[in-house]
Amino acid sequence: QVVLTQSPSASASLGASVKLTCTLSSGHSSYAIAWHQQQPEKGPRYLMKLNSDGSHSKGDGIPDRFSGSSSGAERYLTISSLQFEDEADYYCQTWGTGIRVFGGGTKLTVL
Amino acid sequence: QLVESGGGLVQPGGSLRLSCAASGFTFSTYEMNWARQAPGKGLEWVSYTSSSGSTRYYADSVKGRFTISRDNAKNSLYLQMNSLRAEDTAVYYCARILCSGGSCYGAFEIWGQGTMVTVSS
Repeated sequence: QVVLTQSPSASASLGASVKLTCTLSSGHSSYAIAWHQQQPEKGPRYLMKLNSDGSHSKGDGIPDRFSGSSSGAERYLTISSLQFEDEADYYCQTWGTGIRVFGGGTKLTVL
Repeated sequence: QLVESGGGLVQPGGSLRLSCAASGFTFSTYEMNWARQAPGKGLEWVSYTSSSGSTRYYADSVKGRFTISRDNAKNSLYLQMNSLRAEDTAVYYCARILCSGGSCYGAFEIWGQGTMVTVSS
């Protein structure tokens, strides 16, 4: 069964860049994932679908500052030119036959 | 757009039925899901239904207690929750999958705003 692992927290300065990581469990390195953002006291928002080859398709209205990349079993979300509104929880999500899975989430703090 | 309703306070062992009203897309052609988030915790997938409703999946934590269903004529998704436990306390979200370029994927593209379920005596 596929498992997604995320670091619990990350921080970066206003205007800087940050790269968040989601790691797929052994044997599942070919899986695509989705990234979601959840700002405080709000519901989740879909950011992008990210394939194993690094190609990605973003949701409507997602700024160019958000991009995705992949390497082996790792899936990355890079946010550039950080803004205070980017302070949020970020979740990766994947799917298979009969199952959908979320990572534990990364809480991003913008300093 | 997805709008959930039906949440509230229920005693342990009780039942509750959540609804999700869909608009702005052809509901009958999309697979749908329920997910939840306990207070202060991360997201947890709960259940899935195919576009016709003929295939359904459940997380182990709710299997045998929850039932997902849909009424495509009413553009509505439902979650019948029985034998509720304190650990079922959460905000419940309905979510539509991503379809793009003629293919559909398990990514949750459209989320509702959520409805709170509290299981407590």
